[in-house]
Amino acid sequence: DTAVSQTPKYLVTQMGNDKSIKCEQNLGHDTMYWYKQDSKKFLKIMFSYNNKELIINETVPNRFSPKSPDKAHLNLHINSLELGDSAVYFCASSPGTRLGEAFFGQGTRLTVV
Amino acid sequence: AQTVTQSQPEMSVQEAETVTLSCTYDTSESDYYLFWYKQPPSRQMILVIRQEAYKQQNATENRFSVNFQKAAKSFSLKISDSQLGDAAMYFCAYRSTSGTYKYIFGTGTRLKVLA
Repeated sequence: DTAVSQTPKYLVTQMGNDKSIKCEQNLGHDTMYWYKQDSKKFLKIMFSYNNKELIINETVPNRFSPKSPDKAHLNLHINSLELGDSAVYFCASSPGTRLGEAFFGQGTRLTVV
Repeated sequence: AQTVTQSQPEMSVQEAETVTLSCTYDTSESDYYLFWYKQPPSRQMILVIRQEAYKQQNATENRFSVNFQKAAKSFSLKISDSQLGDAAMYFCAYRSTSGTYKYIFGTGTRLKVLA
């Protein structure tokens, strides 16, 4: 069983389109994250939810909107895609307590053409 | 704000030899966690080892061990008996033990293992 699963794994789309990436975790964790990995492999946090509540919202364009329907799911919707949005997007989850490490999904490689 | 620095963009090691990857961090907190994650070409992020700041003893996981120097804010990863499968990007990460539990990553070190 995959602990943190993201769909799709690859996404190629045109500029201006709207797209969503879905993430689900079956670990019973309370906290979920979205990270963006750029072409230089730098990982930067975008959002984090704890029990469906947004707790981290870094300086991300408001074209990016996360949504957590329940604590096992955290989706990322991106409006009006731009070339600069091309990256690998990782979903992760952690217990959200003092202990426990983050588990990552396999990433979604988004290519905007 | 906390920062994590990995000063070695790329390292190489001969198969069966030992290599050490460096990581330094900056924080004003006294309690936190440090991690090393491995990212092979498959791009899956895999936890290699973790260290709790309040523990003096360095963490060890099979061929992987850390040298944690809290006063110096240094957290290096030693890989012994390197194997071809160790070739990957390695990321050092910091996480606070309170608040938002945000993970802060270094810029990564690409490890090449030479046969």
